[in-house]
Amino acid sequence: TQLLEQSPQFLSIQEGENLTVYCNSSSVFSSLQWYRQEPGEGPVLLVTVVTGGEVKKLKRLTFQFGDARKDSSLHITAAQPGDTGLYLCAGAGYSTLTFGKGTMLLVSP
Amino acid sequence: DAGVIQSPRHEVTEMGQEVTLRCKPISGHNSLFWYRQTMMRGLELLIYFNNNVPIDDSGMPEDRFSAKMPNASFSTLKIQPSEPRDSAVYFCASSLDRDRPYFGPGTRLTVL
Repeated sequence: TQLLEQSPQFLSIQEGENLTVYCNSSSVFSSLQWYRQEPGEGPVLLVTVVTGGEVKKLKRLTFQFGDARKDSSLHITAAQPGDTGLYLCAGAGYSTLTFGKGTMLLVSP
Repeated sequence: DAGVIQSPRHEVTEMGQEVTLRCKPISGHNSLFWYRQTMMRGLELLIYFNNNVPIDDSGMPEDRFSAKMPNASFSTLKIQPSEPRDSAVYFCASSLDRDRPYFGPGTRLTVL
């Protein structure tokens, strides 16, 4: 069974602060995805990283895939209240996607 | 496109009752997934269909759960009989690519 551990589980910060959340596994994945889920809605895909060491940027969000393709990080610069939500990572392996439990981010004005 | 449509959005029922959740995938998508989300266990895959055929049902908790996909535009997830531990948010997702699911808004199920 491929497991993904996300940390921290919960993060509460003030608007304007920077933060990093992590997604770790002992398994190698062919690709890794990050989703954001807002209350009352389903997860929405933010980015897919495929190559070990790959870095992708989406406005204030920076995603990195570990060299060994076992871990990933998401860094948010100057967080805004609109960034509030549950951030999920998901790994693609031999079967369907495996999801982590997520990091709940609360950004206060 | 309207996206993945799920109904009902909320369901409250009593233990022992039958519950049926419905899903209309995005037109043209050939894969459909049912997931369950709880605080304790996160997002878990229950079953995955490809071209209306169940491919992987290893996540279905037990015989009380069943899923059907009679055609490309409709799927159901049935729980009979329901138990309080089935309380969760159930998501349907569809995709063209197995690794790129589009999620519906979910059905919040409460079993009393």
